[in-house]
Amino acid sequence: GDSVTQMEGPVTLSEEAFLTINCTYTATGYPSLFWYVQYPGEGLQLLLKATKADDKGSNKGFEATYRKETTSFHLEKGSVQVSDSAVYFCALLYGGATNKLIFGTGTLLAVQP
Amino acid sequence: DVKVTQSSRYLVKRTGEKVFLECVQDMDHENMFWYRQDPGLGLRLIYFSYDVKMKEKGDIPEGYSVSREKKERFSLILESASTNQTSMYLCASSLSRPNASPLHFGNGTRLTVT
Repeated sequence: GDSVTQMEGPVTLSEEAFLTINCTYTATGYPSLFWYVQYPGEGLQLLLKATKADDKGSNKGFEATYRKETTSFHLEKGSVQVSDSAVYFCALLYGGATNKLIFGTGTLLAVQP
Repeated sequence: DVKVTQSSRYLVKRTGEKVFLECVQDMDHENMFWYRQDPGLGLRLIYFSYDVKMKEKGDIPEGYSVSREKKERFSLILESASTNQTSMYLCASSLSRPNASPLHFGNGTRLTVT
C-alpha cells in the first residue's frame, strides 16, 4: 500500500546551518505531497505542498521538490533558526475528494543557538 | 482564519469508561478527520467523515466510533477505554474541493487511560 518514509530524528543543528530532512514515498499513481510542521504544544500546520512531478513547494525559507524518478520530497532550508525547532511530517494524499493523508513518522528538529 | 477547536487539552480516564472527544470547526469544511499520534508511529487515521452522518473507517478504527450530526462537529467515542488508547488525539478538517486542499488541525487532546 501507499506509504511515506522519512529520516529518523532527532536532527540537531546549530543556528544558520543547512537543513535536509529526507522523505521518500511509495504510491500508486501520482499523489500530492506535503510537509507539515508541529511546534511544541500545538497541532500540525501545513508548511508546503507539491501536487505534481517537478513542482517545488516553498514557504518560510523551506523548499521541497517533487521528484518522481526518485520518489522523494526532501525538505531543505539554507539557514535554520532556533524558532524552526519542531517536528516535521512528510505526507502524501491518499486520493479522491476526501483528502485522506498518509503521514510519515515525523522528524524532530532541534536548533541550538 | 480556520479554527479547529478540540474541547479538552488533557483528559484522564479510567479503564472501561466511555470517553467522548469533541471537535468543532468554523469554516464550513465538508471533511473531518480523527488521528492519533504516537511516538515513532507518526499520525494514524482512526475515522473520517466527508459529510453529515457519513463516516468511513481509517486505518485503526478498532475500539473507536464517531458521530457527525452537524457539519461543524465531529466526535470521537471510545466505547470502553483501555490503556492502549492512551495517546494524543488530533482532529482535522478540510474542504473537499479543490483536491489536495490542506488539512487544518486542532491543538490535540492528550488522553491518559489508567
